[in-house]
Amino acid sequence: GAGVSQSPRYKVAKRGQDVALRCDPISGHVSLFWYQQALGQGPEFLTYFQNEAQLDKSGLPSDRFFAERPEGSVSTLKIQRTQQEDSAVYLCASSFRDPQNEQFFGPGTRLTVL
Amino acid sequence: AQTVTQSQPEMSVQEAETVTLSCTYDTSESDYYLFWYKQPPSRQMILVIRQEAYKQQNATENRFSVNFQKAAKSFSLKISDSQLGDAAMYFCAIGGGNQFYFGTGTSLTVIP
Repeated sequence: GAGVSQSPRYKVAKRGQDVALRCDPISGHVSLFWYQQALGQGPEFLTYFQNEAQLDKSGLPSDRFFAERPEGSVSTLKIQRTQQEDSAVYLCASSFRDPQNEQFFGPGTRLTVL
Repeated sequence: AQTVTQSQPEMSVQEAETVTLSCTYDTSESDYYLFWYKQPPSRQMILVIRQEAYKQQNATENRFSVNFQKAAKSFSLKISDSQLGDAAMYFCAIGGGNQFYFGTGTSLTVIP
């Protein structure tokens, strides 16, 4: 596709439910990032993939958060046993090669945990 | 560890005038990059300008330019001839290694 896409765009979950958020990066982009953006804040780094390898997951806030990119393209961010503090917009971004290249962002998934 | 500080939560500028958005950062990385991203209301984040820390020359992109002061760890964005379409949240960011850190953003209003 022409840009980074994310689905769903909006997700409402009851506390305790598991959710899966999908990111389709730009075709051929090696680097993929996940960020969490709380209301009125800047994006916070969660994790980074280079192809299928998760090279950095230091930003994942707890072991309830898990990300994968098994074939080096589509990525899924999974949150288990969601809690209210998980409510945020989850942004995915990809870049062509090196992580320091321009990142192209998706529209985000707005997660609301009730 | 890396941190980014944007001390101006909100700024406004008259159309066609010039505005400067401030950003300071801290990093232990010797090789890093600095960025300004723009996030219009309900729209996707897009790159405004990028600066390699090892370059002394300030980056410019049309009406957008930076004042990079490495010793002071300062990276401000100057927008010249402001246009209504420049209204957005502006985020300063630093990338080093595999991690990126964003500031809390500055909301820019352009007054017609």
